[in-house]
Amino acid sequence: EIVMTQSPATLSVSPGERATLSCRASQSVSSNLAWYQQKPGQAPRLLIYGASTRATDIPARFSGSGSGTEFTLTISSLQSEDFAIYYCQHYNTWPPYTFGQGTKLEIK
Amino acid sequence: QVQLVESGGGVVQPGRSLRLSCAGSGFTFSSYGMHWVRQAPGKGLEWVAVISYDGNNKYYGDFVKGRFTISRDNSKNTLYLQMNSLRPEDTAMYYCVKSEKATIMGSWFDPWGQGTLVTVSS
Repeated sequence: EIVMTQSPATLSVSPGERATLSCRASQSVSSNLAWYQQKPGQAPRLLIYGASTRATDIPARFSGSGSGTEFTLTISSLQSEDFAIYYCQHYNTWPPYTFGQGTKLEIK
Repeated sequence: QVQLVESGGGVVQPGRSLRLSCAGSGFTFSSYGMHWVRQAPGKGLEWVAVISYDGNNKYYGDFVKGRFTISRDNSKNTLYLQMNSLRPEDTAMYYCVKSEKATIMGSWFDPWGQGTLVTVSS
């Protein structure tokens, strides 16, 4: 099973600033990585797939990068609605499709 | 638009069974693989199971250990999760999720249903 590790567990950033979230896979997942956003009381929402492709209706301030085992989600200028928990997930070929433990993005 | 609506959650005693359902609409249900993902209260996301478009291929998370069965009825556009021998640690919100692929092979998850809460407690 591929283990996904996210860092940091909690990230405190001021509105308008840039946030950088990291995700590491225990073995290569190529570009088969997705990022999800979850707000309290809501289901997760797809942000990024294929490591760097924004999903439909996702603002351009969200960007993803990386391949292999190291990935990054960057939010260029934080808006109030961006404070949430973010999960990475691999979908490299074969199940199980494991998630990272999440990064909580909070207001500084 | 694509919509997934789960139902069937509730409070159940340890050792008992429960069947969850997920009704899909706004897309050709029979053409896509489907997943279940769960989230224990205050915890992260845990992938549970996947089923191929035709129901012929299935795969489960290790923790299932033969207790859960994923199935689908394409004539009713509905996905199921039969959960037997439930344990307190199965307490979670269970989400139904659509794959971008027809098979059980890797795909991102989009969209997610709103979830149905399962509580296993005596």
